[in-house]
Amino acid sequence: GAVVSQHPSWVICKSGTSVKIECRSLDFQATTMFWYRQFPKQSLMLMATSNEGSKATYEQGVEKDKFLINHASLTLSTLTVTSAHPEDSSFYICSARDPTQGGYTFGSGTRLTVV
Amino acid sequence: AQSVTQLGSHVSVSEGALVLLRCNYSSSVPPYLFWYVQYPNQGLQLLLKYTTGATLVKGINGFEAEFKKSETSFHLTKPSAHMSDAAEYFCAVSGANQAGTALIFGKGTTLSVSS
Repeated sequence: GAVVSQHPSWVICKSGTSVKIECRSLDFQATTMFWYRQFPKQSLMLMATSNEGSKATYEQGVEKDKFLINHASLTLSTLTVTSAHPEDSSFYICSARDPTQGGYTFGSGTRLTVV
Repeated sequence: AQSVTQLGSHVSVSEGALVLLRCNYSSSVPPYLFWYVQYPNQGLQLLLKYTTGATLVKGINGFEAEFKKSETSFHLTKPSAHMSDAAEYFCAVSGANQAGTALIFGKGTTLSVSS
């Protein structure tokens, strides 16, 4: 099946710095990828839909200037958390539609801790 | 638009007992339905999915779910719980044949299994 690789799996950064998270489709081309955020003991909330070669579509309430999404190729989407603050600490997960089985494949997630 | 409601944020069963996790969906188009499991500090693992065809879907680890259009439900069951089944379970929905749409998750149900 389709595989999505997400990196890093965990990161600790200082408040005010920026962090980039990468999501790669390893064996298929993903024209669309999705970014989710998960707070402890909560569900996955869709943040944005990343479209190759065009601007991402953000969900209501998500700050596009804080969460920069770039989808420059058919196999790579990146999420950059800019000027991170402790409240941005969360679990971030990327996903892509599995072209072979009609489902979705997920990255393993990135645990971001801002100190 | 799609949405999912998981009834019961926390379900407790004894080892060997029946597991029943409830999920109702709302969708303006024919739905694709999914159940995922998440263990602490890990990503999502697909248990099973319904796209088309047989409405009773069998998944991994002895789980199964039945798509009931008349009841807009997709409840997850397992005949006999095992201690290793203790985890967070998410029901999710997307629109059939809508390649650019994200998966929408329910709030999750925490399954506890006691010996």
